Amino acid sequence: QITLKESGPTLVKPTQTLTLTCTFSGFSLSTSGVGVGWIRQPPGKALEWLALIYWDDDKRYSPSLKSRLTINKDTSKNQVVLTMTNMDPVDTATYYCAHNTPHYYGSGRGIAWFDPWGQGTLVTVSS
Amino acid sequence: EIVMTQSPATLSVSPGERATLSCRASQSVSSNLAWYQQKPGQAPRLLIYGASTRATGIPARFSGSGSGTEFTLTISSLQSEDFAVYYCQQYNNWPTFGQGTKVEIK
Repeated sequence: QITLKESGPTLVKPTQTLTLTCTFSGFSLSTSGVGVGWIRQPPGKALEWLALIYWDDDKRYSPSLKSRLTINKDTSKNQVVLTMTNMDPVDTATYYCAHNTPHYYGSGRGIAWFDPWGQGTLVTVSS
Repeated sequence: EIVMTQSPATLSVSPGERATLSCRASQSVSSNLAWYQQKPGQAPRLLIYGASTRATGIPARFSGSGSGTEFTLTISSLQSEDFAVYYCQQYNNWPTFGQGTKVEIK
């Protein structure tokens, strides 16, 4: 059974850097064909994909947030860490991590569906 | 960016009735589309991937169809536990989600 759980601060100040950790079980990020992604959801709003890392350390970022995001993995700890710089009140959201299996096309691969998801962690940006 | 547009924003349905939710992509995403269900205070749950394949453990009353730019999620006979918000997500390019359809009790 695959489970994921997000952890990190619940409150950050504007301009600070947010660091979130996803701790998972039931799979290994050293296994071929595995990825972990981050998705966020502002209160009452829709979902927004942020970043994803594959087993081979291939990293993908949302083009609109790429300059502010960094994703890394610690395979020995079964963790994925997301950092987001220069936080703003509009970044207030529930942040989810989720398991992902890539889909393959031609000679490339892309991010597919997310399943399952962690429970999410609400991060509020306020002074 | 591929923009996903869901309609309607809210769907009022009586238990036992059929619900039909729509999702439109701003450009073709082939069959690279997933549907999720989200209940208040919970994380999204995968229902459908590949536009029409049910995820493990998803009841047969949920079905997906479509390809290209037009997709449909159908719930054949709504149960009390199906009242929730439903999101579509394309993965033909970097992932983007629709704004959601809330299915509420009529």
